Amino acid sequence: DGGITQSPKYLFRKEGQNVTLSCEQNLNHDAMYWYRQDPGQGLRLIYYSQIVNDFQKGDIAEGYSVSREKKESFPLTVTSAQKNPTAFYLCASDMGVNTEAFFGQGTRLTVV
Amino acid sequence: EDQVTQSPEALRLQEGESSSLNCSYTVSGLRGLFWYRQDPGKGPEFLFTLYSAGEEKEKERLKATLTKKESFLHITAPKPEDSATYLCAVQAPTGGYQKVTFGIGTKLQVIP
Repeated sequence: DGGITQSPKYLFRKEGQNVTLSCEQNLNHDAMYWYRQDPGQGLRLIYYSQIVNDFQKGDIAEGYSVSREKKESFPLTVTSAQKNPTAFYLCASDMGVNTEAFFGQGTRLTVV
Repeated sequence: EDQVTQSPEALRLQEGESSSLNCSYTVSGLRGLFWYRQDPGKGPEFLFTLYSAGEEKEKERLKATLTKKESFLHITAPKPEDSATYLCAVQAPTGGYQKVTFGIGTKLQVIP
């Protein structure tokens, strides 16, 4: 079945550590996205990529980094520079303009 | 700046009690309005896309409508399994990118 797979489902990070969240899709979509979801706020865009080897900052990119070396993969690294990383992270992909996004099941990151 | 406001924030219905969720938006150059359903701890699941004022779409007990300023998600005779958070999002061009802005969502609880 086609879809988006995020891993891990739960992740715990110590302060000062970098962690990487995985996102893989087999939908053959060019565009991929990372969102952050916090209680009482809408999904906020962290980074997006419209094509392999290219990505752009979203609204809240500070403290995060991404890569897009393969069409299928768009990993997100939460660096120690991100001051408030505890959140629910969602990866998505779509076929292009005016098309709906397909979401993964999310990764819940907690700083301990 | 694009804005999406959803109301109410939470809605509690008896099984079979029909109601509507509202999504008001302010955007320049709407390309599409999306409705998603999100279950706790999961990623959003696509429901509908609406492109122009006057458009309507239906799926089982759900019907989405669109005007120039807002969209409604009508739920007819809801069942407990319709309990979820319903997200509205708008897509519009921003700096060469088709940006999607999400609302906070309406949390629906249907009581047996």
